[in-house]
Amino acid sequence: GENVEQHPSTLSVQEGDSAVIKCTYSDSASNYFPWYKQELGKGPQLIIDIRSNVGEKKDQRIAVTLNKTAKHFSLHITETQPEDSAVYFCAASPTSGGSYIPTFGRGTSLIVHP
Amino acid sequence: DSGVTQTPKHLITATGQRVTLRCSPRSGDLSVYWYQQSLDQGLQFLIQYYNGEERAKGNILERFSAQQFPDLHSELNLSSLELGDSALYFCASSADRDHGYTFGSGTRLTVV
Repeated sequence: GENVEQHPSTLSVQEGDSAVIKCTYSDSASNYFPWYKQELGKGPQLIIDIRSNVGEKKDQRIAVTLNKTAKHFSLHITETQPEDSAVYFCAASPTSGGSYIPTFGRGTSLIVHP
Repeated sequence: DSGVTQTPKHLITATGQRVTLRCSPRSGDLSVYWYQQSLDQGLQFLIQYYNGEERAKGNILERFSAQQFPDLHSELNLSSLELGDSALYFCASSADRDHGYTFGSGTRLTVV
């Protein structure tokens, strides 16, 4: 089955700095890669996603890049703000075939210091 | 409000007991997923229902079961509870297989 590795497990940055979270996956059949943000006491919230026919996608201060050859994808947050502090999860899933349940990474706790 | 409603928000119960967690998916979503989140295990997929039928099964214990009703709400039943079952249980829904999930706010289960 799919295996998703996420690094780092904890990331501490100063407000205004950039933050990068990296994930690798093992199953070449995976072609949908969502990212979720989980704030304390809440459920994960989808913040951005990318499909395998796209190399990069941006949404304001958030961007995701995908390298299908190397089987890795990354989340980039620019100009970080204290409200970006949360746990971020990456995931990978196929969208064809029998099972399309995403496999989640273990999460990255992002701390943005004012 | 994400559109996915989970009740109750908190549940404290004793070992050996049985509880039922409830989930109403976002309007229009046919798929419901159940996840368990504990500190050391991350987000663990339990089971998926699509339009009333079981579609996929993950690491769900035999003591746990779920169903999805004709109105698309779902229930997760946990029985013979053990201390190790203490965790956050999330329900999520989605419109299709290549769309992201909408998660509910979760049920925090504490088994004492």
